[in-house]
Amino acid sequence: QKEVEQDPGPLSVPEGAIVSLNCTYSNSAFQYFMWYRQYSRKGPELLMYTYSSGNKEDGRFTAQVDKSSKYISLFIRDSQPSDSATYLCAIGGYQKVTFGTGTKLQVIP
Amino acid sequence: GAGVSQSPSNKVTEKGKDVELRCDPISGHTALYWYRQSLGQGLEFLIYFQGNSAPDKSGLPSDRFSAERTGGSVSTLTIQRTQQEDSAVYLCASSLAPSNEQFFGPGTRLTVL
Repeated sequence: QKEVEQDPGPLSVPEGAIVSLNCTYSNSAFQYFMWYRQYSRKGPELLMYTYSSGNKEDGRFTAQVDKSSKYISLFIRDSQPSDSATYLCAIGGYQKVTFGTGTKLQVIP
Repeated sequence: GAGVSQSPSNKVTEKGKDVELRCDPISGHTALYWYRQSLGQGLEFLIYFQGNSAPDKSGLPSDRFSAERTGGSVSTLTIQRTQQEDSAVYLCASSLAPSNEQFFGPGTRLTVL
């Protein structure tokens, strides 16, 4: 079993839809959680960083962490074509971060 | 301020040659990470530096791979006797401290012919 599991997609949604991206993890020692957006031929760009269970909101993005279920989500409201990218979850413990394989999202105008 | 920079952005080399990839982290960031991303794959951890020391080299795929960091800043990843399977994007990231968020550079796209 991989330490971090992420559905690779692709996920295709119409513009304006709410997008839900998810990851599960197996190691309860993981302490902090990140979401990255990666456009084609670019480096990953940090979207959200959180270390506690619950929700964290930043503009159209909401990160949700459920440590009891070892499940994290990223919600994108009012999705835009510019949100089309690959989204990577990353889960960290002391001195180590494990990345999901990424979910490819396409937002159709 | 300036983000993480990497050079070169693209490198094409012949099988068997050595290559050096460079990473300039964000100023003041003590932790530096190297990852490899192959087509359709996730990020593969290679090595982590805290200051100039590498407490975790567990991800280096073979003894052809080595890395160093000098002055707590610039890092170089060296691949000796490159093989075609080394073709990938090599990404560098830095963070203020080991458990803080990581900021990535644009990557070096390596192609081994």
